[in-house]
Amino acid sequence: GESVGLHLPTLSVQEGDNSIINCAYSNSASDYFIWYKQESGKGPQFIIDIRSNMDKRQGQRVTVLLNKTVKHLSLQIAATQPGDSAVYFCAENYSGGSNYKLTFGKGTLLTVNP
Amino acid sequence: GAVVSQHPSWVICKSGTSVKIECRSLDFQATTMFWYRQFPKQSLMLMATSNEGSKATYEQGVEKDKFLINHASLTLSTLTVTSAHPEDSSFYICSASSAPNEQYFGPGTRLTVT
Repeated sequence: GESVGLHLPTLSVQEGDNSIINCAYSNSASDYFIWYKQESGKGPQFIIDIRSNMDKRQGQRVTVLLNKTVKHLSLQIAATQPGDSAVYFCAENYSGGSNYKLTFGKGTLLTVNP
Repeated sequence: GAVVSQHPSWVICKSGTSVKIECRSLDFQATTMFWYRQFPKQSLMLMATSNEGSKATYEQGVEKDKFLINHASLTLSTLTVTSAHPEDSSFYICSASSAPNEQYFGPGTRLTVT
């Protein structure tokens, strides 16, 4: 059958609009979450993180929301700009593990139209 | 601060040859380094975790004899793809960490095996 991984979810927005990117994480024991931005041909770039004892954290133009009940994470980008076009990944970590491993979600391709 | 470099940024090799990719933490000492592989339009998949001075821990399904990892110093880890085949063509990304919940990513290396 067709692999889900070959088709990144996509989100297309107009410049200036707000963007919301969603992520479902897998491990209910995960206690640390990060959003990364990856531009084509480059490594992931840290955007914002949140610990499981919080449900919201704000940065510059970005907000992360965490809903542990349904294992859901979202990234909100305010006043989206063309430079925000990239693939966005959420990642989770269980700090009680023996190392610092991150597990990445599938990613969402954000396209900002000028 | 927290800059991670990779070398080379891209490499083309013939099938059956071996290729070495370097990952360096430029301004900090990395007790742990991670190697990821990323296929087009897919997420990052962790291949292995290496701690300085000890053997790497490989994820399930990753052949340790094919992907040799050396972490000889606190600033350098290398990944050698041995007897490369076209299916090994991918984007290889490293990250370096000196503390829990901190991973700094390199820019990636594009490997093409012909």
